Amino acid sequence: GENVEQHPSTLSVQEGDSAVIKCTYSDSASNYFPWYKQELGKGPQLIIDIRSNVGEKKDQRIAVTLNKTAKHFSLHITETQPEDSAVYFCAASPGQGYALNFGKGTSLLVTP
Amino acid sequence: DAGVIQSPRHEVTEMGQEVTLRCKPISGHNSLFWYRQTMMRGLELLIYFNNNVPIDDSGMPEDRFSAKMPNASFSTLKIQPSEPRDSAVYFCATALVGEKLFFGSGTQLSVL
Repeated sequence: GENVEQHPSTLSVQEGDSAVIKCTYSDSASNYFPWYKQELGKGPQLIIDIRSNVGEKKDQRIAVTLNKTAKHFSLHITETQPEDSAVYFCAASPGQGYALNFGKGTSLLVTP
Repeated sequence: DAGVIQSPRHEVTEMGQEVTLRCKPISGHNSLFWYRQTMMRGLELLIYFNNNVPIDDSGMPEDRFSAKMPNASFSTLKIQPSEPRDSAVYFCATALVGEKLFFGSGTQLSVL
């Protein structure tokens, strides 16, 4: 089955800096790669996603890049703010609506 | 829409007791997923349904776990008998097949 590896497990940045989280996947059939943000006591919330026919997608301060050849994808957050502090999960699946396989998460702390 | 609704939010029970977790999907969503979250193992898929039919239950840890979806607006996850190692946060997530996955707020289960 699909195996998703996520790094780093913890990340601390200063407000205004950029943060990058990286994931690799094993199943070449995977073609849908969402990112979720989980705040304390809440369920994961989708923040951005990308399909395999796209190399990069951007939404305001967040962007995701995908390298299908290397089987890795990354989340980039620019101009970080304290409210960006949360746990971020990457995931992969054969398509939307199919079961997602999640990475272990990255705990991001943005210090003022 | 109220989103995915899970109940109870917190459950504390003694080892050996039966536990039932409940989920009401977003109206119109026809895929439903049960995930378990722990620090050690992250987010694990337990089972998922498409159009009320179980598609993949390979993640259900053992026969003590069972899940049902009697209709499009309700699902249960039952643990009988419960054990301390079942302590975790259990999430229900739903989607319209081919669309994005939305999570509930989770049930925090503690088995003493």
